[in-house]
Amino acid sequence: AQSVTQLDSQVPVFEEAPVELRCNYSSSVSVYLFWYVQYPNQGLQLLLKYLSGSTLVESINGFEAEFNKSQTSFHLRKPSVHISDTAEYFCAVSDGGRRALTFGSGTRLQVQP
Amino acid sequence: SAVISQKPSRDICQRGTSLTIQCQVDSQVTMMFWYRQQPGQSLTLIATANQGSEATYESGFVIDKFPISRPNLTFSTLTVSNMSPEDSSIYLCSVGRDRGSKTQYFGPGTRLLVL
Repeated sequence: AQSVTQLDSQVPVFEEAPVELRCNYSSSVSVYLFWYVQYPNQGLQLLLKYLSGSTLVESINGFEAEFNKSQTSFHLRKPSVHISDTAEYFCAVSDGGRRALTFGSGTRLQVQP
Repeated sequence: SAVISQKPSRDICQRGTSLTIQCQVDSQVTMMFWYRQQPGQSLTLIATANQGSEATYESGFVIDKFPISRPNLTFSTLTVSNMSPEDSSIYLCSVGRDRGSKTQYFGPGTRLLVL
């Protein structure tokens, strides 16, 4: 069985400050890792993913995440956040077998002016 | 990525009634899933919708409560039966293009409130 832990339920941050949203997972097999974002009253959008290859992955809007196998982590970072980044962020893992995703509990990023 | 639509986008229902949610994809996909997101919570997988056969349900979810149909590779329905206020949630479908695809894309969700 696999699980995902998002250590912070809420992260308040000022605009233009850096942010890190933490995600740790547990799995007995190789995993594929994802970050999804949910803006208020909207569905989930894929932000970025790690499937294989380079352990550092980037999104088009400045977020990046690094897969760390030894620490079983996939933390999400952004060097400078905007008000528009305010949303709920979900980390998810798939073992590739069943293809279904296991989600973390989510982190609410609140960017303040 | 696929374009996924869900109907209805939201509904308010009375206790004891049933609601069928539709998920339509703009292209053929192999994998379709249904998730539930209870208020303030994360997403929980309800079942995998299998084309041409019965859905595969996760622990805690049963076919009598959440019957699922998948008549073809672009469409699926989830019915929430005999609803109670505890069923108030966002219901989302997701798709994976083929069995080798490791990425899922989500529909916009159906917001259900049961009174």
